[in-house]
Amino acid sequence: NAGVTQTPKFQVLKTGQSMTLQCAQDMNHEYMSWYRQDPGMGLRLIHYSVGAGITDQGEVPNGYNVSRSTTEDFPLRLLSAAPSQTSVYFCASSYLGQERGRNYGYTFGSGTRLTVV
Amino acid sequence: QKEVEQDPGPLSVPEGAIVSLNCTYSNSAFQYFMWYRQYSRKGPELLMYTYSSGNKEDGRFTAQVDKSSKYISLFIRDSQPSDSATYLCATSAAYNFNKFYFGSGTKLNVKP
Repeated sequence: NAGVTQTPKFQVLKTGQSMTLQCAQDMNHEYMSWYRQDPGMGLRLIHYSVGAGITDQGEVPNGYNVSRSTTEDFPLRLLSAAPSQTSVYFCASSYLGQERGRNYGYTFGSGTRLTVV
Repeated sequence: QKEVEQDPGPLSVPEGAIVSLNCTYSNSAFQYFMWYRQYSRKGPELLMYTYSSGNKEDGRFTAQVDKSSKYISLFIRDSQPSDSATYLCATSAAYNFNKFYFGSGTKLNVKP
């Protein structure tokens, strides 16, 4: 049981380049989300998904795209990288709903450190 | 106004001390509360998960929620140097249960 796996762990991009951050989970979690973490700003939600084929925007979605074709995978695409997107990106997953007795806390990946120059 | 406010610290305490970490939130509809611990250059890991008001204890950790004052606390007894990390609180409402709002985190340093 690997939990949430993020790749790559580190990435340097030039302004204007595009790339995809990968996220995969093996816990059969319905809910998946992407956060960015910046000093003093805490975790800010970029996009989230409540199941395959369903995605929605979070607090800071501009410049990012997501898709959810399977329960396991939730990739994050940077369309045209900008220095303001330099950050640490975390993918998180959890069960969906409010079934009594279940632990609905997020499981986070280990993060992708992205630098845009 | 941010949904969840948290003092960034840093908070420095001697080993063995009782630590109190706190958050306030603005939305009275929030009912689900989490505390995460994040070591340097690592992802957050779930420490405590609670629903509504009251206390929940797990070993040296106690989570407390006071919905009347919109106040969340995490107490750490007999603190250890290995507890040195950033602690994040998070909360969500029943109408959008899985969407948690995070505090910015409090950095804790436990000195040997």
